[in-house]
Amino acid sequence: NAGVTQTPKFQVLKTGQSMTLQCAQDMNHNSMYWYRQDPGMGLRLIYYSASEGTTDKGEVPNGYNVSRLNKREFSLRLESAAPSQTSVYFCASSPLAGGPRNIQYFGAGTRLSVL
Amino acid sequence: DAKTTQPPSMDCAEGRAANLPCNHSTISGNEYVYWYRQIHSQGPQYIIHGLKNNETNEMASLIITEDRKSSTLILPHATLRDTAVYYCIVRVGRNAGNNRKLIWGLGTSLAVNP
Repeated sequence: NAGVTQTPKFQVLKTGQSMTLQCAQDMNHNSMYWYRQDPGMGLRLIYYSASEGTTDKGEVPNGYNVSRLNKREFSLRLESAAPSQTSVYFCASSPLAGGPRNIQYFGAGTRLSVL
Repeated sequence: DAKTTQPPSMDCAEGRAANLPCNHSTISGNEYVYWYRQIHSQGPQYIIHGLKNNETNEMASLIITEDRKSSTLILPHATLRDTAVYYCIVRVGRNAGNNRKLIWGLGTSLAVNP
């Protein structure tokens, strides 16, 4: 009963390096999301995918790209990491993008440090 | 989406009821109230949601005032494992526009003490 799985759990990058954060869900959900969480701030939406084949910008998309590889997988890519991207990243999924039953289920997070 | 206001922290004795308040005075008629919690270092977890009627599930109860300007999440018998940050969020329930986003505040940090 995995739910939402994120890899890796921890990562340290040097400024300018690139990497991809992976997210997979096994609940047959249509919608998926990427958030970041910084100390003293609430979760902020980076990108979301309402359904397979679509992606949209959230509140803080700059410096990130996403790919909805298939219905299960939604990856987040940092092309040239910056220290300001040091954060905890959460992936989430929900059955639908909207509606009152749009309950989001979260992964355990990826802790990223950019030096 | 309407803004919510929550106290930054609260304490509760183990075994007692924890009552977490949330003000959402600008809520509109089609906005739902959602509660999530985040146990340290974990991803947020859905607790409960409601529109105007009180709701109860296996985790908690949600009491929404008649004017819908505030609500209270009740954990009837708090345990040490309920120590977490609790987020109150309001969001339009209909499937259109920007309602896909949940706007997260800083929540209430609940400490359940032995």
